[in-house]
Amino acid sequence: DTAVSQTPKYLVTQMGNDKSIKCEQNLGHDTMYWYKQDSKKFLKIMFSYNNKELIINETVPNRFSPKSPDKAHLNLHINSLELGDSAVYFCASSRSGDLTEAFFGQGTRLTVV
Amino acid sequence: GENVGLHLPTLSVQEGDNSIINCAYSNSASDYFIWYKQESGKGPQFIIDIRSNMDKRQGQRVTVLLNKTVKHLSLQIAATQPGDSAVYFCAESLSGYSTLTFGKGTMLLVSP
Repeated sequence: DTAVSQTPKYLVTQMGNDKSIKCEQNLGHDTMYWYKQDSKKFLKIMFSYNNKELIINETVPNRFSPKSPDKAHLNLHINSLELGDSAVYFCASSRSGDLTEAFFGQGTRLTVV
Repeated sequence: GENVGLHLPTLSVQEGDNSIINCAYSNSASDYFIWYKQESGKGPQFIIDIRSNMDKRQGQRVTVLLNKTVKHLSLQIAATQPGDSAVYFCAESLSGYSTLTFGKGTMLLVSP
């Protein structure tokens, strides 16, 4: 069973479109995240949710809107896609509290053309 | 290919050698550190962690060393195998914050 699964794995779309990436975890974790990995492989936190509540929103354009319908799901909706949004987006989850590792999904490679 | 133009620091070793990957972390207040391995086309995968009250921790074929004085973390891999080829990241976090801050990765290439 996949612990953190995200769909789709690949997403190619035109500038200006709106798209969503879905994420689900079956680990029973309370905290979920979205990370963005750029072309230089640098991983940067975008959002963090704990029990469906947003706790961290790094300086991400408001075209990006996370939605957590329940604590096992954290979806990422992106409006008006731009070329610079092309990247690999990773969903992750962890137990509540600190000093704990995060488990990552396989990533969604988004290409905006 | 996927890695063209990456310009990641790269460590090339022969199969059977020991590998040492280094990381300088940014926040002197960080008290939890993790090494992740990321294979091509996959998400980061946990290897080993260490808390700031320790300076060394060993796992299976891997050892993490922490030097808080100079904010340095290293990952030692014994008897490196071709399957160890990947990008390795260190990550840090701070008590009270669950979010991990990742360092720049290092690509490990293992030749048979």
